[in-house]
Amino acid sequence: GDSVTQMEGPVTLSEEAFLTINCTYTATGYPSLFWYVQYPGEGLQLLLKATKADDKGSNKGFEATYRKETTSFHLEKGSVQVSDSAVYFCALTASGGSNYKLTFGKGTLLTVNP
Amino acid sequence: EAQVTQNPRYLITVTGKKLTVTCSQNMNHEYMSWYRQDPGLGLRQIYYSMNVEVTDKGDVPEGYKVSRKEKRNFPLILESPSPNQTSLYFCASSGWAVGAYEAFFGQGTRLTVV
Repeated sequence: GDSVTQMEGPVTLSEEAFLTINCTYTATGYPSLFWYVQYPGEGLQLLLKATKADDKGSNKGFEATYRKETTSFHLEKGSVQVSDSAVYFCALTASGGSNYKLTFGKGTLLTVNP
Repeated sequence: EAQVTQNPRYLITVTGKKLTVTCSQNMNHEYMSWYRQDPGLGLRQIYYSMNVEVTDKGDVPEGYKVSRKEKRNFPLILESPSPNQTSLYFCASSGWAVGAYEAFFGQGTRLTVV
């Protein structure tokens, strides 16, 4: 079945540092890929998405590129802020008939210190 | 404003006492689902619904029930809660947006069963 593997945390960075959170997936066909963010005490929010190979999703300074050849969707940000402290989830929806069901990675806790 | 509303936010109950967690969405989405979030396990789908009166099991359905009598509401029912159902629960509804289904999540319900 489909699966998502993301780097385990926690990740601790200083403000203005560069962030990478690795995510790889296993799925047949051409899934859609997502990053969701969960701020403390809140539900998950969609951060960005990409629906086909070589697409780049971006939002709030975060970026991720859909790499079909390496089955990856790594999250990056050039300069993190304290307000970026949260749990980040990589996820996919399958292509075809089950294209509504989300499969999540286990999440990566990011803490940014001033 | 697009919204998924869950109630209650926090609940402490005793083993065996039936409870219901409500979920309502205002986006006219057909697809809704319930997840539980546990440390180290990420989010796992409990049940989902494709439309009114159409529900099906997710990955961890044991001990839970759902119903979908109206499009906007999707309550989660624990007929006889047990301590291993202590968890953080999220309701989500999904709609099609630019090439993929996007999920909107409620704020979460933290359930403790003693």
